[in-house]
Amino acid sequence: DAGVIQSPRHEVTEMGQEVTLRCKPISGHDYLFWYRQTMMRGLELLIYFNNNVPIDDSGMPEDRFSAKMPNASFSTLKIQPSEPRDSAVYFCASSPGRGASLSKQFFGPGTRLTVL
Amino acid sequence: RKEVEQDPGPFNVPEGATVAFNCTYSNSASQSFFWYRQDCRKEPKLLMSVYSSGNEDGRFTAQLNRASQYISLLIRDSKLSDSATYLCVVLYGNKLVFGAGTILRVKS
Repeated sequence: DAGVIQSPRHEVTEMGQEVTLRCKPISGHDYLFWYRQTMMRGLELLIYFNNNVPIDDSGMPEDRFSAKMPNASFSTLKIQPSEPRDSAVYFCASSPGRGASLSKQFFGPGTRLTVL
Repeated sequence: RKEVEQDPGPFNVPEGATVAFNCTYSNSASQSFFWYRQDCRKEPKLLMSVYSSGNEDGRFTAQLNRASQYISLLIRDSKLSDSATYLCVVLYGNKLVFGAGTILRVKS
């Protein structure tokens, strides 16, 4: 079975450029999460969706970040304009939800973003 | 104060050793508790849930003390393949909050 798919796996861009990260969750999973991981701050939740609807975006660092989920099989995280401090690994995760099973989150391989 | 705190390590142990990691959490309303494992440059993966009565999965034993807001993970008979970062994770509402992780290095 395919797990969570993320693309690209690596992205190097210059400050000021727009960056779009993509995620395909596991089929049938109702929840989708975007995380950011850095050495300094560890793994942080940015935003999550339930049935394609954004539920909590309190972790989104600032207006330069936006996320969408146009359908159950696709989500994007966009940074515009990008800054060097956005350099991190961005993980997408999905979960079947429904109570305690929400804790069983399946992570994608991550996108390693470097902003020069 | 961080919501979930762990000793970052690294813990360097020989094969066959027993090693224990601890974790504390600040929100007494937290509902569920877990240990995730993350290999170098890979994604986190669920290792095991942690139950109040304590639970075991092979060489791994997890304990929870709600009164002290303390979680532990014990690994017996360490293998080289156990080398990884172990993340203590707490569920608040619908959100998982991750500790920074404890690095384990098992050496032959």
